[in-house]
Amino acid sequence: AQSVTQLDSHVSVSEGTPVLLRCNYSSSYSPSLFWYVQHPNKGLQLLLKYTSAATLVKGINGFEAEFKKSETSFHLTKPSAHMSDAAEYFCVVPLRGGATNKLIFGTGTLLAVQP
Amino acid sequence: GAVVSQHPSWVICKSGTSVKIECRSLDFQATTMFWYRQFPKQSLMLMATSNEGSKATYEQGVEKDKFLINHASLTLSTLTVTSAHPEDSSFYICSAVGSQETQYFGPGTRLLVL
Repeated sequence: AQSVTQLDSHVSVSEGTPVLLRCNYSSSYSPSLFWYVQHPNKGLQLLLKYTSAATLVKGINGFEAEFKKSETSFHLTKPSAHMSDAAEYFCVVPLRGGATNKLIFGTGTLLAVQP
Repeated sequence: GAVVSQHPSWVICKSGTSVKIECRSLDFQATTMFWYRQFPKQSLMLMATSNEGSKATYEQGVEKDKFLINHASLTLSTLTVTSAHPEDSSFYICSAVGSQETQYFGPGTRLLVL
């Protein structure tokens, strides 16, 4: 069965420094993978998605993620954090194939950005 | 584009009453919508899959008679929490499947049952 594990429940960085949010996946086949962001009292927004094309995926707001099959990882990165990046981030895998199927959410990583 | 709205954004009700939450895709049609529940500081848990014109599919452990789902049109799905109790207090989020098989999420409805 597909699953994702987010290794850090909380990450704190200083504004202007790099961001790394870690996610490992488990799947019996090459999965699609997504990163969603949830700002307080707002809906989830898709940051980026991997669908077996290029392994380095660029998303919105300067975020990107690299699919590494050998490490079963899909870590989210950003070169320079901004205060507005403070939010909760979810690594997500569809249960079977595309997003029309059930989404399995990781436990989330709360990103704090210090001035 | 691809905006999903939920109404109400928050609701407080008395124990034993029923509450209806609406999920609308504003600028696209969605054959499939999903309902999730999120407890404080926890992840989203899928409750049910809502398909237009057919019965919803519930996840294991979710009571279908308690959480009634109706997907009567391609732009509207409703979740009714019947005979609500304090343990039903939670953040309920819907999503609608749009183009390129992407799920677009609503802003959520916070339910507090007293």
